[in-house]
Amino acid sequence: AQSVTQPDIHITVSEGASLELRCNYSYGATPYLFWYVQSPGQGLQLLLKYFSGDTLVQGIKGFEAEFKRSQSSFNLRKPSVHWSDAAEYFCAVVPTSASKIIFGSGTRLSIRP
Amino acid sequence: GAGVSQTPSNKVTEKGKYVELRCDPISGHTALYWYRQSLGQGPEFLIYFQGTGAADDSGLPNDRFFAVRPEGSVSTLKIQRTERGDSAVYLCASSPQSGTDYNEQFFGPGTRLTVL
Repeated sequence: AQSVTQPDIHITVSEGASLELRCNYSYGATPYLFWYVQSPGQGLQLLLKYFSGDTLVQGIKGFEAEFKRSQSSFNLRKPSVHWSDAAEYFCAVVPTSASKIIFGSGTRLSIRP
Repeated sequence: GAGVSQTPSNKVTEKGKYVELRCDPISGHTALYWYRQSLGQGPEFLIYFQGTGAADDSGLPNDRFFAVRPEGSVSTLKIQRTERGDSAVYLCASSPQSGTDYNEQFFGPGTRLTVL
């Protein structure tokens, strides 16, 4: 079945530490890949996207993600987190034959002072 | 310019009642999407409009849910005989166009529906 998996429900990291959020997808062909962030009371904001080409993509707020076809993964990274990065992060895909976004269940990020 | 707006921001209703949720997309966006986000979950697709017509309604959970977009702009999601399980945040998104190329979807702030 087609799915997006975010294995970590909740992650806590110290401010200034590095971050990696995991995402795996299950589709027959490489879909379009996205990471969104949702802060309390805020709407969904697109951090970055991958359609094709360079497998390392840069996004807003200092985030980057790497597409690994062999692992069907699209992990999100940030070298040094800030307290303002505390939020819910969603990995998402759009199958190339469709328009709807399919979201993972999310990873809640907490920042330790 | 103005983003996607949704009204009301919060709606509390009683089990069995009828509710309407409204979405105003970004001006000129021809594609409009509805998603539902239950507590602790990611958003789930409900329905997608291209212009006035529903291009994909495969995510509507049952026939109590219905959505319209009569003039190709504003959309209304209608829920009949609400159940407690319908409690969620309902998100609307719009994009400039759709077809063979993907266009970014811009999300509204959502309507939080609580069914007592």
